[in-house]
Amino acid sequence: EPEVTQTPSHQVTQMGQEVILRCVPISNHLYFYWYRQILGQKVEFLVSFYNNEISEKSEIFDDQFSVERPDGSNFTLKIRSTKLEDSAMYFCASQTGGEAGELFFGEGSRLTVL
Amino acid sequence: AQKVTQAQTEISVVEKEDVTLDCVYETRDTTYYLFWYKQPPSGELVFLIRRNSFDEQNEISGRYSWNFQKSTSSFNFTITASQVVDSAVYFCALSPVFTGNQFYFGTGTSLTVIP
Repeated sequence: EPEVTQTPSHQVTQMGQEVILRCVPISNHLYFYWYRQILGQKVEFLVSFYNNEISEKSEIFDDQFSVERPDGSNFTLKIRSTKLEDSAMYFCASQTGGEAGELFFGEGSRLTVL
Repeated sequence: AQKVTQAQTEISVVEKEDVTLDCVYETRDTTYYLFWYKQPPSGELVFLIRRNSFDEQNEISGRYSWNFQKSTSSFNFTITASQVVDSAVYFCALSPVFTGNQFYFGTGTSLTVIP
């Protein structure tokens, strides 16, 4: 069964460092997302990506964040200068089409900022 | 504005009991989808069901059933004869069709099934 894969599963970094989280969405999917879940809290939308550009982003997704699909298979989330409050589980998700089809989530990348 | 409320933060039941997880949503969109996801202790998010706003028929899948009532903006989830493996956090989510394609998640209900 096709699945969304994310790497790394856990990353520990120092405050101020850059972090790149990687995702390989399901191959025939067209919409890609990043969501964040701070420990014990709800899952929050960060950004959606379609046709090689951002289609929607939340207030959380400020200038420190960027996304890229560099090679047609990987979908990356970059945090330029991490802050303590960026510590969270980051979920990548993909979706076949735009009409609220099921989101297929990866297993998450846990980011710990010290 | 889009909002999903899961008022039950934590529920504990004894194995084999039935349990209902509540979900109430707010949206001004007339066309939308509702979802339930399960997050086991391992952390991944597992899709359980999708329901569109025009389909109020209740659905049953094994021990799981869902009750969608548009009149009360609720989409409740019942687990019959609960098992220890059902212990997880369950999230309800809303996705409007025409005002963006993001999902709006509730705060989740943590279910513990005691053997």
